[in-house]
Amino acid sequence: GENVEQHPSTLSVQEGDSAVIKCTYSDSASNYFPWYKQELGKGPQLIIDIRSNVGEKKDQRIAVTLNKTAKHFSLHITETQPEDSAVYFCAAENTDKLIFGTGTRLQVFP
Amino acid sequence: DAGVIQSPRHEVTEMGQEVTLRCKPISGHNSLFWYRQTMMRGLELLIYFNNNVPIDDSGMPEDRFSAKMPNASFSTLKIQPSEPRDSAVYFCASGLRKNTEAFFGQGTRLTVV
Repeated sequence: GENVEQHPSTLSVQEGDSAVIKCTYSDSASNYFPWYKQELGKGPQLIIDIRSNVGEKKDQRIAVTLNKTAKHFSLHITETQPEDSAVYFCAAENTDKLIFGTGTRLQVFP
Repeated sequence: DAGVIQSPRHEVTEMGQEVTLRCKPISGHNSLFWYRQTMMRGLELLIYFNNNVPIDDSGMPEDRFSAKMPNASFSTLKIQPSEPRDSAVYFCASGLRKNTEAFFGQGTRLTVV
């Protein structure tokens, strides 16, 4: 089955700096890759997603890149703000179910 | 729509007791997922339903765990008997179709003492 690895597990940045989180997946049949943000006491919420026919997607300060050959995808957050502090999860869809990475705790210091 | 609704938000129970977690998916969604979240294991998929039918329950840890979806607007996850190692946050999520967003509920924090 699908296996998703995510790095780093924790990330601390200064406000205004960029943050990058990386994930790899194992099954080349996976073709949908969402990113979720989870704030304390809440369920994960989708922030951006990418499908396998696209190499990059951007939404304001957030961008995701996908390299299908290497089986890895990354989340880029530019001009980070304190409200970006949360746990971020990558996921890969395989046979109709989402397999999640282990999460990255991002802390943005003012 | 109010989103995915889970109840209760918090549950504290004694070891050996039966626990039932409830979920109301978003109206019109035909996929429903149960996840368990712990510090050690992250977000684990327990079971998912499509059109009220269980499709994959390979993530259900033991026979003590069971899930049902009697209709399109309701699902339950039952643990009987509960054990301290079942303590976790349990999330229900629903989705419209393949390769689209899964919407998560607020979760149920279960503590088994």
